[in-house]
Amino acid sequence: AQSVTQPDIHITVSEGASLELRCNYSYGATPYLFWYVQSPGQGLQLLLKYFSGDTLVQGIKGFEAEFKRSQSSFNLRKPSVHWSDAAEYFCLFNPSGNTPLVFGKGTRLSVIA
Amino acid sequence: ETGVTQSPTHLIKTRGQQVTLRCSSQSGHNTVSWYQQALGQGPQFIFQYYREEENGRGNFPPRFSGLQFPNYSSELNVNALELDDSALYLCASSSPGTEETQYFGPGTRLLVL
Repeated sequence: AQSVTQPDIHITVSEGASLELRCNYSYGATPYLFWYVQSPGQGLQLLLKYFSGDTLVQGIKGFEAEFKRSQSSFNLRKPSVHWSDAAEYFCLFNPSGNTPLVFGKGTRLSVIA
Repeated sequence: ETGVTQSPTHLIKTRGQQVTLRCSSQSGHNTVSWYQQALGQGPQFIFQYYREEENGRGNFPPRFSGLQFPNYSSELNVNALELDDSALYLCASSSPGTEETQYFGPGTRLLVL
């Protein structure tokens, strides 16, 4: 079955600390992988995406993600978190073509001073 | 370049009523997807329209219907509203050649009383 697992429902980090949000997918091939961020009451904003090539991808707002085929993972990282990064983060993939996205359940990030 | 826009931003209806939500796709995009996001949940795929034809449907009843117009804007119609239809409705547009990336609008918040 096609699925995305985000094992952490809620993470709290201190401002300035590093961040890693975990994501694992289940699919028979390498899908198109995405991370989106959603601020409260807002739509989803694309942070970064992976299709092929370099397994370390850079995104907006200082985020990066690394695709590891052997672990079926696509973890999101940021070296130094800012208070404005507090939001809900969704990992998802597009199995192929213009097909429905498969969403993880999301990880809520809280940032404390 | 204009992004994805949705109207209205908020809506309150009562059970049994009908509602129409609207979405204007990003310039150059011919595919529109609709998602329902209940509070605290990830988005769930409702259906997708490609060049005015339905191109896939999620696990939603027939009272959820849609349209896509020649300019690729789209409508989501929900008949016989139920309390559980209260959610954020997200529209996303995409186009072949953009590596299947979907760009989301800000959403319409629907409350059914």
